[in-house]
Order: sequence, then structure tokens, then C-alpha cells
Amino acid sequence: AQSVTQPDIHITVSEGASLELRCNYSYGATPYLFWYVQSPGQGLQLLLKYFSGDTLVQGIKGFEAEFKRSQSSFNLRKPSVHWSDAAEYFCAVGAQGYSTLTFGKGTMLLVSP
Amino acid sequence: DAGVIQSPRHEVTEMGQEVTLRCKPISGHNSLFWYRQTMMRGLELLIYFNNNVPIDDSGMPEDRFSAKMPNASFSTLKIQPSEPRDSAVYFCASRPGQGGSPLHFGNGTRLTVT
Repeated sequence: AQSVTQPDIHITVSEGASLELRCNYSYGATPYLFWYVQSPGQGLQLLLKYFSGDTLVQGIKGFEAEFKRSQSSFNLRKPSVHWSDAAEYFCAVGAQGYSTLTFGKGTMLLVSP
Repeated sequence: DAGVIQSPRHEVTEMGQEVTLRCKPISGHNSLFWYRQTMMRGLELLIYFNNNVPIDDSGMPEDRFSAKMPNASFSTLKIQPSEPRDSAVYFCASRPGQGGSPLHFGNGTRLTVT
């Protein structure tokens, strides 16, 4: 069975600074990987996904993530954070041809002025 | 595309009462999922359906929980009787079949059982 670890429960970043949110997964083969964002009172919105091919994937809102097989990681990055990026971010993993996704516990991003 | 629609958005009920949560998936999506979100456990998969058939309900916590999908455009999650520990946000999500397509989430139902 697959699992996901997001080691940081909370992260505070100054507006305009760069951001990296960590995600480590456990799965025996190449997984399907996703990042979702959840604003207060809202559902989860897909930021980006990785299935195969180029290990650097671009998503919405200026986010990108890099798949590193050797480190079993799929970290989310953004070069310059905006106050509107404050939200909770979830990494998720699915098996090839998956039916369900396993989610990490989430990382709450706080943006300071 | 109206997205996944859940109702009600908020539900407050007393312990012992029956609670029914509703979900309308995106048209054309043939897989539907019910997740529960709490501070302690994060997002937990309760049950999922494929073509209206329950495939995996191993995440349903107890017999008090039941889910149905009578047709492709409607699903319910019922808790009877409800208990305070059922208080959580319940999300419905759908996706268009296999192949790695992502889940599309509704805005959730916040359930409070007093």
C-alpha cells in the first residue's frame, strides 16, 4: 500500500519569498502524484499532477513540482509567494492506473507581510 | 461544468439523530468517492463507487455509516445514529474513469454532532 508524508505541519513565508513544500511517498513502482490546495471552507483544488515523462511539472497559479525517484519525493515550489497563496496544501499518491488516492496530512502555509 | 455539488454545506444535529449527506458528481464521471476530514486523521477515504457500484467500503468506520449511489448523478452518505465523534467535514469527489485522471472535489459538508 502507498503512503504519503508531509513533514511540515505549518510553514510561514514572507510575501515575495520563495516556497518549497516537502512531500515524500512510499510506493513500489512509479506512482501517480498530485498536489492539491484547500482554502478555508472550500474543497480541494488540483494544482498539478505527475504521471510520467518530464520530472518537472508545471501547475496552476505559478506552482511547479519535481519528481525525484531516488529520494521518493515530489516537492512543491513557487518562486514568489503571494498573500493569496495562504492555504493548506496536500500531496497525494496513487498507484499506476489507480482507483483511489492516499493523501498526506497537509501543510498549512501562512504568508506574512 | 457545475463541479461536484454537495448538500447541505453545514449540518448541526444532536447525538442519536440520523444524518444524510448528499452529492451530485460531475456529469460523465463514473467514479465517486466519499472522504472524511478531521484534524487528527486528515483525509480518510470512506468508500468509493465505480459505475454506481460500491468497490471498496473498507474505510467506513462502523455499521452506523452507509452509502448509496442509486444512479450516476446522485449519492448519499448516511449516519444512523450519529455520535459526537462523527463531527468532521465530509467531502465527495468524482473522476472520469481510470487512467490516472485527478479527483474533483465538492466544497464539503461540515457536520457537527452535539
